[in-house]
Amino acid sequence: AQSVTQLDSQVPVFEEAPVELRCNYSSSVSVYLFWYVQYPNQGLQLLLKYLSGSTLVKGINGFEAEFNKSQTSFHLRKPSVHISDTAEYFCAVSGGRGSYIPTFGRGTSLIVHP
Amino acid sequence: GAGVSQSPSNKVTEKGKDVELRCDPISGHTALYWYRQSLGQGLEFLIYFQGNSAPDKSGLPSDRFSAERTGGSVSTLTIQRTQQEDSAVYLCASSLDRVLNEQFFGPGTRLTVL
Repeated sequence: AQSVTQLDSQVPVFEEAPVELRCNYSSSVSVYLFWYVQYPNQGLQLLLKYLSGSTLVKGINGFEAEFNKSQTSFHLRKPSVHISDTAEYFCAVSGGRGSYIPTFGRGTSLIVHP
Repeated sequence: GAGVSQSPSNKVTEKGKDVELRCDPISGHTALYWYRQSLGQGLEFLIYFQGNSAPDKSGLPSDRFSAERTGGSVSTLTIQRTQQEDSAVYLCASSLDRVLNEQFFGPGTRLTVL
């Protein structure tokens, strides 16, 4: 079984400040990890993914995430946020051995204030 | 190329009526997923199609929900005898590779049951 926990339901931050959105997962097998972003009234869009290799993954819009196997975490970071980053962010995990259905966290609402 | 499309974008119906929601995946994508997203909730998995294999229906909440995928492409999600608790955004996603599971999402159908 696999599960995803996004520890913060809402993260308020001022423009140009750094931000970290936390994600922890549990899985009994090797995993693939994803961050998706959902802008208001839109579907989800892939931000970045970890499949294998380097644990530091860079995505679109200046976001990056680090896979930490010992802490079972995949936190999302951005050094300086913009108003346009205001959105819902979802962490997801999927794995092998038949786990073809990704499990999503409940989402973190990033609110960027001017 | 075109992304995942869904129709209608909004659907308002009366309790007890049947509704059909349509999803057109990206051409060539063999995997197709339906999710439900309620206000303040994460994504709830409903059903998964992979090629010509029998679908994984393990997420369907009741026997009022069904889905089919014709010709390995277009999918229709049907909700019979709708209830107010069915009100949500229904998201469709497709992916090229079921193992890596990078999903491409449609914009969703917002269903309101009065």
